[in-house]
Amino acid sequence: SQQGEEDPQALSIQEGENATMNCSYKTSINNLQWYRQNSGRGLVHLILIRSNEREKHSGRLRVTLDTSKKSSSLLITASRAADTASYFCATLDSNYQLIWGAGTKLIIKP
Amino acid sequence: IAGITQAPTSQILAAGRRMTLRCTQDMRHNAMYWYRQDLGLGLRLIHYSNTAGTTGKGEVPDGYSVSRANTDDFPLTLASAVPSQTSVYFCASSDQAGVGEQYFGPGTRLTVT
Repeated sequence: SQQGEEDPQALSIQEGENATMNCSYKTSINNLQWYRQNSGRGLVHLILIRSNEREKHSGRLRVTLDTSKKSSSLLITASRAADTASYFCATLDSNYQLIWGAGTKLIIKP
Repeated sequence: IAGITQAPTSQILAAGRRMTLRCTQDMRHNAMYWYRQDLGLGLRLIHYSNTAGTTGKGEVPDGYSVSRANTDDFPLTLASAVPSQTSVYFCASSDQAGVGEQYFGPGTRLTVT
C-alpha cells in the first residue's frame, strides 16, 4: 500500500517559473525524503527532512513538512529544462523501510 | 565503478522460466533493497536486507527470492516468471537501514511473455 500521495500527478510550467509539488501521507513518520527520476533512469535523492524539522533548503529546492496535516511540499524555484522529471516522496515507516508515493511528473517548457 | 550496477539492462522472458537479476554495489553499504516500479504505482518494496546474511520481505514478495551472501551483492530470483512480473526492477542501497538516503541502480526492464 502506498504511504505517500503526490499532488498533482502531472505539472507543466514555463521555464523560469516555480514548481510546487505536494505529498500527503497516512501514518507517523521518522523522516520524509524527496527523489527525482529522469525518464528511464534510477531515482536520485534530493532532500531529507526529519519529523522534527519544518523546513529545509538545498539550492533551488525548498521542502516543508507539516506533521499535523501529514503533508509535505517540494518547491523548485526558477525552473530549468533539466528539472523535467518525475518527483517522488517517500516516508520511513516503523519498520525502517521507505514507502513511496506514485510521483508527480514535471514538464518544464522552454 | 562507483555506485550500484544492475544486470541485465533489459530482458524478455518466457513465462515459467527462472531468472536472476543481479545487483552489485561498491559503497560498502549495509542495507540493500529490491523494488519494482509499475506505471502509476510508484515503487513497491519486494525484499530487503539490512546487513549481509539477513533478508526480509517487503510489500510484494510473492514469486521472488533474494540472498545476501556478502555485502556487495544482492541478487533477485524469479523462480517461475509470470506475466504480472513484467515491470522495471530497481536495486538500491543505503549505509544503514532506515537512515539517510538510498542510492539506486539504473534498473532492469523485464518483460514476461
